[in-house]
Amino acid sequence: AQKVTQAQTEISVVEKEDVTLDCVYETRDTTYYLFWYKQPPSGELVFLIRRNSFDEQNEISGRYSWNFQKSTSSFNFTITASQVVDSAVYFCALSLNTGTASKLTFGTGTRLQVTL
Amino acid sequence: DAGVTQSPTHLIKTRGQHVTLRCSPISGHKSVSWYQQVLGQGPQFIFQYYEKEERGRGNFPDRFSARQFPNYSSELNVNALLLGDSALYLCASSLRSDYSGANVLTFGAGSRLTVL
Repeated sequence: AQKVTQAQTEISVVEKEDVTLDCVYETRDTTYYLFWYKQPPSGELVFLIRRNSFDEQNEISGRYSWNFQKSTSSFNFTITASQVVDSAVYFCALSLNTGTASKLTFGTGTRLQVTL
Repeated sequence: DAGVTQSPTHLIKTRGQHVTLRCSPISGHKSVSWYQQVLGQGPQFIFQYYEKEERGRGNFPDRFSARQFPNYSSELNVNALLLGDSALYLCASSLRSDYSGANVLTFGAGSRLTVL
């Protein structure tokens, strides 16, 4: 069975600090996809990034960067120079080839609070 | 363009009652998924429908049912409500059903159900 662990329940930082959100996943499949979603107070989950298991190239998008390491089954997310608008709950998720359905297995989320 | 819309946004029911939640996917999206998010937890997969057929079902009792209509909108029904059914119910849509795991889901803001 697959599992996603986000050990950090809540992180508080002061604006402009860098912050890294950790994600560790478990699966026996060799082909899978990893996702990060952001959930602001309004409730809807906002897609941030998707990575497949064969692409370990790290990615930077503006202030966001992702570090995918298969050797440690980790897919960490870093926000550089955090801003108050980054305050939200961030979810890491795993998706497998089920042969039938498309479904995400989410972690429990990390609440990020950015203050002035 | 309208995103994924859900109704109602909030509702309160008592134990034993029945509830129907509605979802309209993004125009052109043929796949709809339902997730349950209990407070403080990550979303859990309930159902996926594609072209009006059930493609997948999560580990939920038979009290939970869903259907998809010819216009691709969807309903989630929950019978004999229990206190533990109190949660945010999220609907997500995607263009197609990609069981490889690559699907990027677009989520609605959810329907918050409180069972008293």
